[in-house]
Amino acid sequence: GAVVSQHPSRVICKSGTSVKIECRSLDFQATTMFWYRQFPKKSLMLMATSNEGSKATYEQGVEKDKFLINHASLTLSTLTVTSAHPEDSSFYICSARETGSANTGELFFGEGSRLTVL
Amino acid sequence: GENVEQHPSTLSVQEGDSAVIKCTYSDSASNYFPWYKQELGKRPQLIIDIRSNVGEKKDQRIAVTLNKTAKHFSLHITETQPEDSAVYFCAASLGNGNQFYFGTGTSLTVIP
Repeated sequence: GAVVSQHPSRVICKSGTSVKIECRSLDFQATTMFWYRQFPKKSLMLMATSNEGSKATYEQGVEKDKFLINHASLTLSTLTVTSAHPEDSSFYICSARETGSANTGELFFGEGSRLTVL
Repeated sequence: GENVEQHPSTLSVQEGDSAVIKCTYSDSASNYFPWYKQELGKRPQLIIDIRSNVGEKKDQRIAVTLNKTAKHFSLHITETQPEDSAVYFCAASLGNGNQFYFGTGTSLTVIP
């Protein structure tokens, strides 16, 4: 199956700093990528839909100035947590669908990134 | 947006027994319903999916049923094995690149 790579897998930062997480589709092109946040033993909460070449679509309650998303190419989307605070500590996971795969629909997930804000 | 509810949140079964997880959705326009399995510390992976033009789909020990009228769908695992222990997520999507909305997850434990 298709592979989505996410980096870094773990990151620890100080409060007030910014952290960038990368999501790459390694062997396919993804016009759309999705960013989720997952709390311990909880579901995947959709944060935003990342669209290549255009602005991301954010879910209600998600601050777009706090969670900056850039989808500059068909294989890379980035999530930047700006001015991070301890409450931003979480597991962030991206996913992607292959461009033109409307009939299959399968989402491929990255490995996830564990963010800890001190 | 779509609201997906999933029950139960935890489920324990004896090895060899069946497990059933149920989900409901709110948007009647949703037409694609995948199920994902997430083992501890790993990424979610698709195990089975169903589209709105089908009522049931089976793949070996795993089956999914869909009731469009009632807007609910279920995952059935028969002859459970310890390696089936994981968190299972249902999801609903409009397809064609639209957002996937996930249920709250079910932590399944298969007791040897």
